[in-house]
Amino acid sequence: QLQLLESGPGLVKPSETLSLTCTVSNGSMSSSSYYWAWIRQPPGKVLEWIGSIYYTGSANYNPSLKSRVTISVDTSNNQFSLKLSSVTAADTAVYYCARPLGQQLYWYFDSWGRGTLVTVSS
Amino acid sequence: EIVLTQSPGTLSLSPGDRATLSCRASQSVPSDWLAWYQHKPGQAPRLLIYDASSRATGIPDRFTGSGSGTDFTLTISRLEPEDFAVYYCQQYGGSMPGTFGRGTKVDIK
Repeated sequence: QLQLLESGPGLVKPSETLSLTCTVSNGSMSSSSYYWAWIRQPPGKVLEWIGSIYYTGSANYNPSLKSRVTISVDTSNNQFSLKLSSVTAADTAVYYCARPLGQQLYWYFDSWGRGTLVTVSS
Repeated sequence: EIVLTQSPGTLSLSPGDRATLSCRASQSVPSDWLAWYQHKPGQAPRLLIYDASSRATGIPDRFTGSGSGTDFTLTISRLEPEDFAVYYCQQYGGSMPGTFGRGTKVDIK
């Protein structure tokens, strides 16, 4: 069964860059034609799709975050990463990595990580 | 953007009860592309249903998704102890990005 695990700092200062990595196990990212995604949930708010990346490196981003987000993939290490720049307290959230299925840009998510809480505070 | 409203916010039931969860969309969901997820504290969310009524791999048949257009339902026929959790719906047929509901918590009465 595919497993995803998020890792990275739990505390980021305002205006800095949030960086997270998702490690995929029990499946090879380089041998399968899948997208990989980041989703977040701020406290008390709705889940929000951040962006997705194809194993080739082609990415799609939520328009509301596009100017600050970069998602990259490292298939040799079975990892993909999220960078979110110029963070504010509004970026405090539990961040999940997940695998999307379905047609491009019309995705549901069949595998998720447990999530990691990132707090933006000085 | 399609807004999803889930009701009730909390459902208090006993093991063996039938649970009926509602997800209403602000506009028709194209192709009825709607999914349901189960989420327990500290665990990864779990896909239950996709395409409104297709059960994901390994999901017990006590979970049933139904509905179309703007009104969707997740029914759990007989609650097992492990079914007490938060359930989210997500539409992925509208303009990018897909959107999620706020969730329904099913807790033990």
